[in-house]
Amino acid sequence: ETGVTQTPRHLVMGMTNKKSLKCEQHLGHNAMYWYKQSAKKPLELMFVYNFKEQTENNSVPSRFSPECPNSSHLFLHLHTLQPEDSALYLCASSQAEGLAATDTQYFGPGTRLTVL
Amino acid sequence: AQSVAQPEDQVNVAEGNPLTVKCTYSVSGNPYLFWYVQYPNRGLQFLLKYITGDNLVKGSYGFEAEFNKSQTSFHLKKPSALVSDSALYFCAVREETSYDKVIFGPGTSLSVIP
Repeated sequence: ETGVTQTPRHLVMGMTNKKSLKCEQHLGHNAMYWYKQSAKKPLELMFVYNFKEQTENNSVPSRFSPECPNSSHLFLHLHTLQPEDSALYLCASSQAEGLAATDTQYFGPGTRLTVL
Repeated sequence: AQSVAQPEDQVNVAEGNPLTVKCTYSVSGNPYLFWYVQYPNRGLQFLLKYITGDNLVKGSYGFEAEFNKSQTSFHLKKPSALVSDSALYFCAVREETSYDKVIFGPGTSLSVIP
């Protein structure tokens, strides 16, 4: 295991539902990431949090709302999603600042989301 | 802006044969290059990275990658493929100035045939 956990592993939701994805890292890192992985498409960086501050938002629709209450936890709140949002959502962490800074990212196993 | 290309969607190789997964990149300044692997139903796992120094980088599971500055390439190699190497492989690059902005390539699916 990489030290990054994600729950749930699978989620099926209707377009009117509200749900949240959770990510937790046990590595002491200060940066966390959400990626979207769709079939036949490159890995898409959605959000980056560095020291709990959002430093990147790659034009993600507002129906995806991230939350980073501390450097160990990251949430992705979902509401009124579309079928094309069905994908594998991956969380990652890294140590992005300081003496121990490294660009190596550690990924969780992902949440397989299906929007009906 | 940095970018990564993996020209092959699919690579098939017989078990025991050498394998190569190709990657080319574009970046301002010095490149920081990575290879990650993704097994079915799993997240990405770090294999190796190039920052500076020797152009041949050795990583996990017997993989290595060769940095070629003139060709802006960073191909992943292994002398003898195993069936268990079958997975999705991602090349990634970041610019020198930011640790948290890593761009991933589209991925190459490797199938090792028994």
